[in-house]
Amino acid sequence: AQSVTQLDSQVPVFEEAPVELRCNYSSSVSVYLFWYVQYPNQGLQLLLKYLSGSTLVESINGFEAEFNKSQTSFHLRKPSVHISDTAEYFCAVSDGAGYSTLTFGKGTMLLVSP
Amino acid sequence: GAGVSQSPSNKVTEKGKDVELRCDPISGHTALYWYRQSLGQGLEFLIYFQGNSAPDKSGLPSDRFSAERTGGSVSTLTIQRTQQEDSAVYLCASSFPGQGSYEQYFGPGTRLTVT
Repeated sequence: AQSVTQLDSQVPVFEEAPVELRCNYSSSVSVYLFWYVQYPNQGLQLLLKYLSGSTLVESINGFEAEFNKSQTSFHLRKPSVHISDTAEYFCAVSDGAGYSTLTFGKGTMLLVSP
Repeated sequence: GAGVSQSPSNKVTEKGKDVELRCDPISGHTALYWYRQSLGQGLEFLIYFQGNSAPDKSGLPSDRFSAERTGGSVSTLTIQRTQQEDSAVYLCASSFPGQGSYEQYFGPGTRLTVT
């Protein structure tokens, strides 16, 4: 069985400050890791993913996440946030066995203020 | 269509009534998933369809919940004898085997309120 822990339910931050959203997972098999974002009143969108290869993955809007196998973590970071980054962020894991389901964390609400 | 669509967007029903929620996946996507998003519980997997294989129903919370997928495309999630704890946003997602991306594309969800 897999599980995902997002310890922070809310992260308040000022605009242009750096941010890290934490994600830890547990799994007995190799995993694929994802971050999804849900903007207010919108559906879930994929932000970035780790499948294999380089452990550092980036999104087009400046977010990055690093897969750390020894620490079973996949923390999401951005060096300078914008007001428009205000959203809920979900970390998810798949066991990589083809088209298996996603196990989600409970989400972290990123609140960016001016 | 361009993305996953779900209907209705909002549904208010009385306790004890049956409801049907519909999902239209992206054309050509053979994998279809239902999730439930509720306050304090995050996103929970409900059921998964892949091609003509038997669906994975391991996430359904009770036998009041069922789902079918007709013609390998449209899916309907049915909740019988609704209870207040069924109030949540029900999300549908689809994916395309073979792309190697394992990305699931989500619909906007159906917000179900049981009064």
